[in-house]
Amino acid sequence: QSVLTQPPSVSAAPGQKVTISCSGSSSNIGSNYVSWYQQLPGTAPQLLIYDNDNRPSGIPDRFSGSKSGTSATLGITGLQTGDEADYYCGTWDSSLSAVVFGGGTKLTVL
Amino acid sequence: QVQLVQSGAEVKKPGASVKVSCKASGYTFTGYFMHWVRQAPGQGLEWMGWINPNTGATNYVQKFQGWVTMTRDTSFRTGYLELSRLTSDDTAVYYCARGVYSYGWYRIDYWGQGTLVTVSS
Repeated sequence: QSVLTQPPSVSAAPGQKVTISCSGSSSNIGSNYVSWYQQLPGTAPQLLIYDNDNRPSGIPDRFSGSKSGTSATLGITGLQTGDEADYYCGTWDSSLSAVVFGGGTKLTVL
Repeated sequence: QVQLVQSGAEVKKPGASVKVSCKASGYTFTGYFMHWVRQAPGQGLEWMGWINPNTGATNYVQKFQGWVTMTRDTSFRTGYLELSRLTSDDTAVYYCARGVYSYGWYRIDYWGQGTLVTVSS
């Protein structure tokens, strides 16, 4: 059981928008910044969003992040088939003194 | 550019040990933490701990204490993850990842390509 809770799967049509939620508690999301990672099939994860809502260079602005209270959200607009991947949220848990991840969300672009 | 290149796949028998390496390039090795994260087949990401390459100090998740060892060799800009007393539950892809300090924690920004460790009799 993951410390952070994500929906197991989401789906949408090409060109549409999708959001992926990540729910935590006051000891993790509530008091620390959140990162999001994209894991394409058979590859290593890649940083998508850091510090809640910042994109590394090279990440298109179709990807966005936000945080409110003990939850964070990843948004993807203009969906492409190449966006099909697993998405993970991650942050620091101050009570556990550990990095924690969500269980991952599989995005299907129909 | 930042690169983390890991050693190749391993097949081990139950009870054996394995040592995975992660060679860093493109940045100051001692300026960033090195995380280790594993992913069992079809499962999510599990953080194992980190090492401070500058001091050698480590921080392990409690479940890994006593049978996981993280070390580094600054001369070779390489981090190491050693697991002992392997069981089939340790079959997974093991990733090293760079940790950059930001707002109170060492968030992960770059990942190695992963090393598959298979434990089978």
